[in-house]
Amino acid sequence: GAGVSQSPSNKVTEKGKDVELRCDPISGHTALYWYRQSLGQGLEFLIYFQGNSAPDKSGLPSDRFSAERTGGSVSTLTIQRTQQEDSAVYLCASSLEPGTGELFFGEGSRLTVL
Amino acid sequence: AQKVTQAQTEISVVEKEDVTLDCVYETRDTTYYLFWYKQPPSGELVFLIRRNSFDEQNEISGRYSWNFQKSTSSFNFTITASQVVDSAVYFCALSERGTYKYIFGTGTRLKVLA
Repeated sequence: GAGVSQSPSNKVTEKGKDVELRCDPISGHTALYWYRQSLGQGLEFLIYFQGNSAPDKSGLPSDRFSAERTGGSVSTLTIQRTQQEDSAVYLCASSLEPGTGELFFGEGSRLTVL
Repeated sequence: AQKVTQAQTEISVVEKEDVTLDCVYETRDTTYYLFWYKQPPSGELVFLIRRNSFDEQNEISGRYSWNFQKSTSSFNFTITASQVVDSAVYFCALSERGTYKYIFGTGTRLKVLA
């Protein structure tokens, strides 16, 4: 597609369940980022991919969070044993020039943990 | 370490008023990039402008203008003759060449009243 695509757009889950969030970046963009936006808050960096490798995963809040990217394209963010504090909008962005160019954002996946 | 401060949490103006959104940044790098993004109620972040650290020239785009001052580490955004459609959350962001990480401020919510 023309833009960054994220799915699901909305996810409601019960505490303790695992969830997977998917991001399909703009074709040709080698850099991919995950951010978390809690209600009324700014964007919290989670992880950055260059190709299939993650040079910077310093923002992942705990070992319950993991992410992978395959084929230099689609990325999946997995949250295991979800907690209520994980409720947020998870934003994915891609870039042609990581660190210097603009980020192109998807519409986000809103996660609600009951 | 990188840091972006947007001290104004929320601003309300009446349509046609001018409004300035403040952004102050911290970085130890001499090569860095500054960005502004708009997040309308629909949620998707929209890129507005990028400025690199070697270019202090101010920029104007229609009703939008940006003032970059390295001496005060600020990159302020002014909307002239504001319109209701300008109502959104505006984020300032910083990236340093070499780290590839984009750090966002907490955002300023702008409400333009008719």
